[in-house]
Amino acid sequence: DTAVSQTPKYLVTQMGNDKSIKCEQNLGHDTMYWYKQDSKKFLKIMFSYNNKELIINETVPNRFSPKSPDKAHLNLHINSLELGDSAVYFCASSRQAAGGKSTDTQYFGPGTRLTVL
Amino acid sequence: GEDVEQSLFLSVREGDSSVINCTYTDSSSTYLYWYKQEPGAGLQLLTYIFSNMDMKQDQRLTVLLNKKDKHLSLRIADTQTGDSAIYFCAERNFNKFYFGSGTKLNVKP
Repeated sequence: DTAVSQTPKYLVTQMGNDKSIKCEQNLGHDTMYWYKQDSKKFLKIMFSYNNKELIINETVPNRFSPKSPDKAHLNLHINSLELGDSAVYFCASSRQAAGGKSTDTQYFGPGTRLTVL
Repeated sequence: GEDVEQSLFLSVREGDSSVINCTYTDSSSTYLYWYKQEPGAGLQLLTYIFSNMDMKQDQRLTVLLNKKDKHLSLRIADTQTGDSAIYFCAERNFNKFYFGSGTKLNVKP
């Protein structure tokens, strides 16, 4: 069984559209993340949720809105898509570790390649 | 955010050792990680090291940490063509993970 899954794997859409990417983890983790990987492979964190609460929100346009219906799911909704949003978006999860005292490694999904035309 | 830097490319011959280097700036990092990304795939955790360790060995992988210089390295012994991928180092400070830009390892037969 896939630990962290994302859908869709590929998404091609026109500029100005609104789209969502879904992420689910079956690891029982408390914390989930969204990362954006650009064409140069730079990986930047966008959001992190812990037990359905937003704990990290990096400088991301407010067109991006994460939604966590429960701690196993973290979806990413993007409004008014722009050309610069084209990238691979990775979801990840980890256990919560108070005070950062455990390995708390992240497990990544396979990525969603978003292409905005 | 914190800075994590890696060289962008490394090319080795099959059977040689590969050494991928990484420097970071956050002295309060608790754990440091190495991830592997194959073409079209997600990141796969290879190994990690706790910040109070100097070295960790796991089969063909050896991680060296110089905390004073904030330098992390990953050595892959007997590199195989299947090791060709992008390798990311990452540091963790509580709930934040900072990734390097990735080093593309090319293994020539």
